[in-house]
Amino acid sequence: GESVGLHLPTLSVQEGDNSIINCAYSNSASDYFIWYKQESGKGPQFIIDIRSNMDKRQGQRVTVLLNKTVKHLSLQIAATQPGDSAVYFCAENFGNEKLTFGTGTRLTIIP
Amino acid sequence: DGGITQSPKYLFRKEGQNVTLSCEQNLNHDAMYWYRQDPGQGLRLIYYSQIVNDFQKGDIAEGYSVSREKKESFPLTVTSAQKNPTAFYLCASSISPSGGAEQFFGPGTRLTVL
Repeated sequence: GESVGLHLPTLSVQEGDNSIINCAYSNSASDYFIWYKQESGKGPQFIIDIRSNMDKRQGQRVTVLLNKTVKHLSLQIAATQPGDSAVYFCAENFGNEKLTFGTGTRLTIIP
Repeated sequence: DGGITQSPKYLFRKEGQNVTLSCEQNLNHDAMYWYRQDPGQGLRLIYYSQIVNDFQKGDIAEGYSVSREKKESFPLTVTSAQKNPTAFYLCASSISPSGGAEQFFGPGTRLTVL
């Protein structure tokens, strides 16, 4: 079956630097992608989403890039802060009623 | 204050018992979802409902049951047939039943089997 996966399970970044979290997907029919942030013991929180007719979308301190040629999605967090420490999930929808989630990347901020 | 609530936050169950996890939303969303999360893993879909009085099995429905009698409520029962029920359970809702829209998550229920 199709799957959404992440290149790295953990990522450590110096406070103030930019973070880039990557996600690979294999279903070329996917037309909607979303990033979530999950802090320990809490439910996931929406960060940003993007549809397949776009290749870039920006939010507050975050940017999502979509490369449909290589089926790659990335989340960039600018000027990383201690509060950004969490697990980040990407998810995709390929025309059905569900979101398919990746396994997540744990982002750790080094003071 | 709109959102999704789940109760209880922590739940302990003896082997052989059924337990029901509550999920309520006041966002007027049509679609609701139940996920299971194990340590260090992603979210796996248990059941989902696109409309009242209708629901579908997700990827790991065995040992679970749901009902959708009201738009705002989607309780999940973990039955004794679920052999490894200890996990973090997350409920979500979405304004769109199509799947191509943001899902809003509740705070989760951590279930532990004693």
